[in-house]
Amino acid sequence: AQKVTQAQTEISVVEKEDVTLDCVYETRDTTYYLFWYKQPPSGELVFLIRRNSFDEQNEISGRYSWNFQKSTSSFNFTITASQVVDSAVYFCALSGGTYSGGGADGLTFGKGTHLIIQP
Amino acid sequence: GAGVSQSPRYKVAKRGQDVALRCDPISGHVSLFWYQQALGQGPEFLTYFQNEAQLDKSGLPSDRFFAERPEGSVSTLKIQRTQQEDSAVYLCASSLASQGARKLFFGSGTQLSVL
Repeated sequence: AQKVTQAQTEISVVEKEDVTLDCVYETRDTTYYLFWYKQPPSGELVFLIRRNSFDEQNEISGRYSWNFQKSTSSFNFTITASQVVDSAVYFCALSGGTYSGGGADGLTFGKGTHLIIQP
Repeated sequence: GAGVSQSPRYKVAKRGQDVALRCDPISGHVSLFWYQQALGQGPEFLTYFQNEAQLDKSGLPSDRFFAERPEGSVSTLKIQRTQQEDSAVYLCASSLASQGARKLFFGSGTQLSVL
């Protein structure tokens, strides 16, 4: 079965600090995709990034960066110079199709990390 | 609308009541998913449609849960004889097609409280 572990339940930092959210996954699929979603208080899950299992290049998008390491089954997310608007719950998710519900697009989510950015 | 729309936003039910939750996916999206999110937890898969066909219902917790998408667009999740453990946020998501793990677009969810 597939599994996503986000060990950090809650992180609180002061604005402008850098913060890293950890994600470790397990899957028997050889081809899979990894995602990060943001869930603000409004409840809607907002897509941040998708990475396929063959692409281990790190990615940077503005203040956000992602570190994918297949050797350690990790897909960590870093926010640089955090801002109050970054406060939300962040979910790491995994799709692959063979061992998760919903076919190729179905997602297995971690429990989420509640990020609090204090002014 | 441009996004996935769910209604009602909030639903309070007495234990034993039946409820129906509606999802309007993004126009043209073939795939539709229902997820259940308990308080403080990540979303968990319930069921999946491709057009009007329900291809996977392995996540439905009991036979009190039933989902349909008769014309391949709007979907309804029905819960019969609600129990307190059914209290959760029910999220609907849609995607263009089941090829190559396209990203899911989520609605804001229906928060169900069973008293």
